[in-house]
Amino acid sequence: DTAVSQTPKYLVTQMGNDKSIKCEQNLGHDTMYWYKQDSKKFLKIMFSYNNKELIINETVPNRFSPKSPDKAHLNLHINSLELGDSAVYFCASSQPPGGSKHFGDGTRLSIL
Amino acid sequence: AQSVTQLDSQVPVFEEAPVELRCNYSSSVSVYLFWYVQYPNQGLQLLLKYLSGSTLVKGINGFEAEFNKSQTSFHLRKPSVHISDTAEYFCAVSGAGGYQKVTFGTGTKLQVIP
Repeated sequence: DTAVSQTPKYLVTQMGNDKSIKCEQNLGHDTMYWYKQDSKKFLKIMFSYNNKELIINETVPNRFSPKSPDKAHLNLHINSLELGDSAVYFCASSQPPGGSKHFGDGTRLSIL
Repeated sequence: AQSVTQLDSQVPVFEEAPVELRCNYSSSVSVYLFWYVQYPNQGLQLLLKYLSGSTLVKGINGFEAEFNKSQTSFHLRKPSVHISDTAEYFCAVSGAGGYQKVTFGTGTKLQVIP
């Protein structure tokens, strides 16, 4: 069983489109995250939810909207995609305090 | 606020040789420290973590790290590397206790040469 699964694995789309990425964890963790990894491998947190409540929102454009229907799921919707959105997006979960993060395998988003 | 510095962006090393990947952090509060590994086309995987107690922490795949509070360092070591250790390694820091944001370093690419 995959602990943190995200879909799709690859996403190729045109500028201006709207797309969603889904994430599910079966670890029973209370906290979930979205990270963006750029082409230089720099990993930056975007959002964090704890028990369905938003606790971190790191100066991410309003075009990005996370949604957590329950504590096992955290989806990411992106409106009006731009070239600079091309990156790998990772979902992760953890159980604070001090809990290590479990990452999904990433969604590779390419904007044409 | 906290920050993490991984001074080496790439570290080439011959197979079976020892390796040390450097990590320095800054924080005004007590910290938790982590090392993650990322293999190509995969997510990050925890190698080891320091929360409290013994400053020498052992992790998976034969890696270990030592927390040095006076030097604010958490360097990762392995006495003998294998080809399969070729990957990107990330150091990370968070404040200790409760919910704390984790800050990742910029990563070090370990290239094991046959």
